[in-house]
Amino acid sequence: SYELTQPPSVSVSPGQTARITCSGDALPKKYAYWYQQKSGQAPVLVIYEDFKRPSGIPERFSGSSSGTMATLTISGAQVEDEADYYCYSTDSSGNHRVFGGGTKLTVL
Amino acid sequence: EVQLVESGGGLVRAGGSLRLSCAASGFIFSSYSMNWVRQAPGKGLEWVSSIISSSSYIFYADSVKGRFTISRDNAKNSLYLQMNSLRAEDTAVYYCARDLPGGDGDYFDYWGQGTLVTVSS
Repeated sequence: SYELTQPPSVSVSPGQTARITCSGDALPKKYAYWYQQKSGQAPVLVIYEDFKRPSGIPERFSGSSSGTMATLTISGAQVEDEADYYCYSTDSSGNHRVFGGGTKLTVL
Repeated sequence: EVQLVESGGGLVRAGGSLRLSCAASGFIFSSYSMNWVRQAPGKGLEWVSSIISSSSYIFYADSVKGRFTISRDNAKNSLYLQMNSLRAEDTAVYYCARDLPGGDGDYFDYWGQGTLVTVSS
């Protein structure tokens, strides 16, 4: 079965840049999407189609993808950005919809 | 404003059944594919099932195939998940999520707040 791999945790100080990676064999051919989930809340889409930002998402959130790795970058991370972040994509056939294991971002 | 409100969760014994509902508002429900996504306590997100707007195509994760049935009623703006032969590992918060067509496939753009299903063994 297809898998997306994320680091379990990332920690930065406020104002620093946080980078969360997501690796998957189909990412050269498939878009990556990123969801933010704060404690006790539903996920929120923060990046779609590798780098596009939905309306209402702060500009400090950006995305990129190269080869088998997609990256979510939070430039000037703030305390309120503390959350779990999940990448999402599909396998090359498009039939298997998969989330990465999630990355806990700590900002302190 | 898009709203998705799940209901029907609760405590059930292993082997039992439960039916979840999701009431949609703020968009033309009949025009969108819909999904169920779950999250076990302290764990990550897992896609469970998808149904296209006309109900003509339905997909399931291998972990629930043959036990869960997704359906929808476009006249009632509602999505359902019938869960049978429940197992302890089905314990999770179940989210209703709307699909949006992307450049190379659909993705989830709006999510409900979830409903908790607890399966006791």
